[in-house]
Amino acid sequence: KAGVTQTPRYLIKTRGQQVTLSCSPISGHRSVSWYQQTPGQGLQFLFEYFSETQRNKGNFPGRFSGRQFSNSRSEMNVSTLELGDSALYLCASSLVSGVSTDTQYFGPGTRLTVL
Amino acid sequence: KNQVEQSPQSLIILEGKNCTLQCNYTVSPFSNLRWYKQDTGRGPVSLTIMTFSENTKSNGRYTATLDADTKQSSLHITASQLSDSASYICVVRLTGANNLFFGTGTRLTVIP
Repeated sequence: KAGVTQTPRYLIKTRGQQVTLSCSPISGHRSVSWYQQTPGQGLQFLFEYFSETQRNKGNFPGRFSGRQFSNSRSEMNVSTLELGDSALYLCASSLVSGVSTDTQYFGPGTRLTVL
Repeated sequence: KNQVEQSPQSLIILEGKNCTLQCNYTVSPFSNLRWYKQDTGRGPVSLTIMTFSENTKSNGRYTATLDADTKQSSLHITASQLSDSASYICVVRLTGANNLFFGTGTRLTVIP
């Protein structure tokens, strides 16, 4: 069974631009969560989608948004990029939402660099 | 304030030696605690998960312990291998909410 895939793997953008990242979950998984990882802050939760609905949201500004499609694939968008948005963006999928012991499987991440 | 703190920040050990990583948390109400291994350039992979009633869980050479009273967990790695070089992240989940709190990780380097 294929794992979580994320595209692109690397991105370089300039301040003020916008970017869209894509995540394909493991087949059969319906929950997709997004995280930002930086050396100083570690992993921080962005949001979770389940059945095309946002279930939970972390403490990030409105420039960060996402959506989920009927096939469970998810996209994350960041508008008006800032230097501080440079990070590894990780996507994780799980079977369902809200089951505390359900394992999340992470993708390899998208490395975003903002110049 | 809900927080997860890990120590040490980084650790270098010789191949074949054992080591223990620490995780202290103030998250409440507690649901479960998970240890992840993250290789460089890859996403985290779950090693163990423990709920409130469990105080030890093993996965091969990895053994996690949990003391819910003192809000401490440790990850013990036995007979380390070069492939154990990675970041180890402690994650605590709240009860009744889909909220996760991440530690900043311990960077382990195993040298020959």
